[in-house]
Amino acid sequence: DIVMTQSPLSLSVTPGEPASISCRSSQSPLHSNGKTFFSWYLQKPGQSPQVLICLGSNRASGVPDRFSGSGSGTEFTLKISRVEAEDVGVYYCMQGLQTPYTFGPGTKLEIK
Amino acid sequence: DVQLVESGGGLVQPGGSLRLSCAASGYTFNTYWMHWVRQAPGRGLVWVSRINEDGRTTTYADSVRGRFTIFRDNAKNTLYLQMNSLRVDDTAVYYCTRDLAGGQDLWGQGTLVTVSS
Repeated sequence: DIVMTQSPLSLSVTPGEPASISCRSSQSPLHSNGKTFFSWYLQKPGQSPQVLICLGSNRASGVPDRFSGSGSGTEFTLKISRVEAEDVGVYYCMQGLQTPYTFGPGTKLEIK
Repeated sequence: DVQLVESGGGLVQPGGSLRLSCAASGYTFNTYWMHWVRQAPGRGLVWVSRINEDGRTTTYADSVRGRFTIFRDNAKNTLYLQMNSLRVDDTAVYYCTRDLAGGQDLWGQGTLVTVSS
């Protein structure tokens, strides 16, 4: 199975400040079609997860442009340019290249 | 609206069975792979199973293979998860999700399954 790790596991950010979360996969989620089957999700308190980034760096529909995804190979990063209060929750990375699809352990973001 | 709505969760004894349903609306259901993902109380997300567009190809996590069956009725725009021989560690919120290039671009609200005596 592909193992996903995240860092940090928690962070506290002042509104308006940037934030960054890293995710590492034990194998590259690069598909033979050239696309990277890697995504980021946010689970706000009491809600279902919602997709933020697909295919490594493609922002999902309706996601604010303060969120950006980057990376390649086995190293990926989610950046929030200016954190807002509504961004609190747990952030997960996931690989969808091979089954079992696997998620990272999650990074809990709170507001200072 | 494009949405997924799960139902069928509840309290069941160890060894029992339960069938979850996921009603899809607002999009062409039979053109997407679908998945089930679960989340135990206070824990992270765990992928459970997936099914292709016509229902002929299915895949399972090792922890549920042989006990759970995923299937779909495209005429009813509904995804199912038949869960047999349930164990205490199957207790979780079960989400149905829509696949988009290996990601999950649409999630339902989840349905809670509690396995306890």
